[in-house]
Amino acid sequence: SQKIEQNSEALNIQEGKTATLTCNYTNYSPAYLQWYRQDPGRGPVFLLLIRENEKEKRKERLKVTFDTTLKQSLFHITASQPADSATYLCAALRTSYDKVIFGPGTSLSVIP
Amino acid sequence: SQTIHQWPATLVQPVGSPLSLECTVEGTSNPNLYWYRQAAGRGLQLLFYSIGIDQISSEVPQNLSASRPQDRQFILSSKKLLLSDSGFYLCAWRRDNMNTEAFFGQGTRLTVV
Repeated sequence: SQKIEQNSEALNIQEGKTATLTCNYTNYSPAYLQWYRQDPGRGPVFLLLIRENEKEKRKERLKVTFDTTLKQSLFHITASQPADSATYLCAALRTSYDKVIFGPGTSLSVIP
Repeated sequence: SQTIHQWPATLVQPVGSPLSLECTVEGTSNPNLYWYRQAAGRGLQLLFYSIGIDQISSEVPQNLSASRPQDRQFILSSKKLLLSDSGFYLCAWRRDNMNTEAFFGQGTRLTVV
């Protein structure tokens, strides 16, 4: 079955810097990768989606890449702000009909 | 617009007691529905998903069951709770047969004592 791996250690960065989070997958190459943000005690909120045939996707200060050779997606937050502090989850879908499988998440803290 | 309701927000139950968590979606039809559990500091574990009424797939053998008696209603149940059932339970939905994101409810914090 598909397994999604993310940085298990929390990531602490200085405000204004770029945060880079990693998502690696095993087994099959997903057709879609999604990134979500989760705040403590809340449900995850969707941020970005990238398809298998897309190299990069951007939305405001967010950028996602998808490297099928490395079996990896990178999630970047540029000009990070303390309000960006949260847990970020990577999720994979094999097809548009498939169930959504989540990674364990990476906790990000942006220090003022 | 679509909304998802999940209740209760918190629940403390004794070991051996039954459980019923309810989730309803409004503003869409034939959604794909999901139940996830999140242990403290851990990721989301998919428990059940459903593509239609009475069509439930179980992902992990466990002490829980799910039912979908109506198109937009998804229920998570247990006959006898275990301590290990404690966690943060999240219901989610996606549009049918489309590559779209999952929308999550606010979650239920279950503590089994």
